[in-house]
Amino acid sequence: QVQLVESGGGLVKPGGSLRLSCAASGFTFSDSYMTWIRQAPGKGLEWVSYISSSGTTINYADSVKGRFTISRDNAKNSLYLQMNSLRADDTAVYYCARVGTTEGGAFDIWGQGTMVTVSS
Amino acid sequence: NFMLTQPHSVSGSPGKTVTISCTRSSGSIASNYVQWYQQRPGSAPTTVIYEVNQRPSGVPDRFSGSIDSSSNSASLTISGLKTEDEADYYCQSYDSSNPVVFGGGTKLTVL
Repeated sequence: QVQLVESGGGLVKPGGSLRLSCAASGFTFSDSYMTWIRQAPGKGLEWVSYISSSGTTINYADSVKGRFTISRDNAKNSLYLQMNSLRADDTAVYYCARVGTTEGGAFDIWGQGTMVTVSS
Repeated sequence: NFMLTQPHSVSGSPGKTVTISCTRSSGSIASNYVQWYQQRPGSAPTTVIYEVNQRPSGVPDRFSGSIDSSSNSASLTISGLKTEDEADYYCQSYDSSNPVVFGGGTKLTVL
């Protein structure tokens, strides 16, 4: 069935690094724009980054620019988020989502999320 | 950058109708599509409205969306409230400089 499954979250010290993965199945991943969205505990949704289907177009929120890198491997149906120089305010559940094919680009498939905790 | 402002919380009784607003701080609300996402406790968000007023398959027609240019806002209306509608709701839009902007979210309580 159509699904996204994130992995790679965990506890990391401030200044450390973590790599999140998102495995896609049930749809043509290589045709899909993908995005990462995060949610700090008890807070709202915050967009992090998106990547085009070919990987040639990438954009980041100002809060993560220069520290996070989004990438994808269409052969493996996988999306990644390399997170460096992590800070306490990066603590959140990280969701990967597909950007739908409608003109408005709604996020039509979401993963269950993976928790990242940045703490000493 | 623009912001989308939502009320922190709304409430309604089963069977009644509630409306959640989403006000755009700058730029026209009508210039870019608005989406609405529902997030039940402990779950990932799901889309309930896309492109202002379109419902994904499986979303009941009790959910509807609209925009009001005079107040520069979008609205999500839920009629015939059910206890299962209790959730957080987020609006989302964009423009040429801001790829994705979320509202702060509204907690819907069904009394």
